[in-house]
Amino acid sequence: DAGVIQSPRHEVTEMGQEVTLRCKPISGHNSLFWYRQTMMRGLELLIYFNNNVPIDDSGMPEDRFSAKMPNASFSTLKIQPSEPRDSAVYFCASSGDGYYGYTFGSGTRLTVV
Amino acid sequence: AQSVSQHNHHVILSEAASLELGCNYSYGGTVNLFWYVQYPGQHLQLLLKYFSGDPLVKGIKGFEAEFIKSKFSFNLRKPSVQWSDTAEYFCAAGSSNTGKLIFGQGTTLQVKP
Repeated sequence: DAGVIQSPRHEVTEMGQEVTLRCKPISGHNSLFWYRQTMMRGLELLIYFNNNVPIDDSGMPEDRFSAKMPNASFSTLKIQPSEPRDSAVYFCASSGDGYYGYTFGSGTRLTVV
Repeated sequence: AQSVSQHNHHVILSEAASLELGCNYSYGGTVNLFWYVQYPGQHLQLLLKYFSGDPLVKGIKGFEAEFIKSKFSFNLRKPSVQWSDTAEYFCAAGSSNTGKLIFGQGTTLQVKP
């Protein structure tokens, strides 16, 4: 299994631009999670899906952030417009069920200048 | 409110020293507990997990953790650390009902050769 695959690994963009982060969960996993990691706030859960349905998006910081999961093998996190304070590492994780913990992707390091 | 607290933000040890990282949680209902490790520049990897049964849990790379229900604690231990254990360590708590994990702030461990 290739694990959780995220793309791109690094993204540098200018303030105001739209940014789209992508995630392919492990085949057969039915839960998908988006986290943001910064030095100041640590790991923050942004949103999670169960069976492609958003269950809890209370961690999404603002309306500029949106996430979709059109099918079981793909999810996107979009920021529009991006701001410098969005600079962080964004991790996607998937889980087969709540008992066994997550498998994390390698993350996308986003820098907004 | 659900929360996970890690007492130590930065720990520096010499090789062969013993390690104990503190973790306390506040969580209603049945809780599952996890320790993850993040090596420099990498994604989070599962070290060990506790769901039920023996409160002393053994994980990979010689790590273990003890669940003490009365203290709401799940401390991570290793008898003798190695330089390669230099990493950031995250404690997490979750419920099998939601599958969602709450992470602590993380502890950076630096092992001096």
